[in-house]
Amino acid sequence: AAGVIQSPRHLIKEKRETATLKCYPIPRHDTVYWYQQGPGQDPQFLISFYEKMQSDKGSIPDRFSAQQFSDYHSELNMSSLELGDSALYFCASSSAPDTQYFGPGTRLTVL
Amino acid sequence: EDKVVQSPLSLVVHEGDTVTLNCSYEVTNFRSLLWYKQEKKAPTFLFMLTSSGIEKKSGRLSSILDKKELFSILNITATQTGDSAVYLCAVGGYNTDKLIFGTGTRLQVFP
Repeated sequence: AAGVIQSPRHLIKEKRETATLKCYPIPRHDTVYWYQQGPGQDPQFLISFYEKMQSDKGSIPDRFSAQQFSDYHSELNMSSLELGDSALYFCASSSAPDTQYFGPGTRLTVL
Repeated sequence: EDKVVQSPLSLVVHEGDTVTLNCSYEVTNFRSLLWYKQEKKAPTFLFMLTSSGIEKKSGRLSSILDKKELFSILNITATQTGDSAVYLCAVGGYNTDKLIFGTGTRLQVFP
């Protein structure tokens, strides 16, 4: 069965640079969620989109923005990167509330 | 403040043992509780529970929810080395897309 696709899988950036993470949801899923998981921590909700509109917002820094496109894929844009942004970034998708299926994640390292 | 607490934090067993993982929660407007298995990458969906007392089962794994006492358990019988992972409990509420995760139980199964 098709799963959530994320790209890139690994990304290394320097401080103050920008990064764009992409997420392609499971076909026919209309909701996309972004989570950040720091080392040894549980995933923290950042933001979600339903039918291309922002649905809910969590602890997403102002330096980050995201959007969902007409084909339902989503991009998380991160600017002025800081060392503390180093983490695993997961995208999840769903067609119904709560049953979120996670992608493989993008490991971002900020040097 | 909403919170999800898992216990134990870590568990080391031998193949063939049965384990019980615990998850308690205090979440406003509870809607559902989910269990995920996380190996090195993305959390893999196991179960979603919304009603008390109804056991969900998948092979050697089973889970049940108690909405009165605000907890859930995940049982794994006849454990195998492939069960080694971090097991995450997450809770979803009404009026939010956010899943609140516990810090996980790290299970290690040795031959």
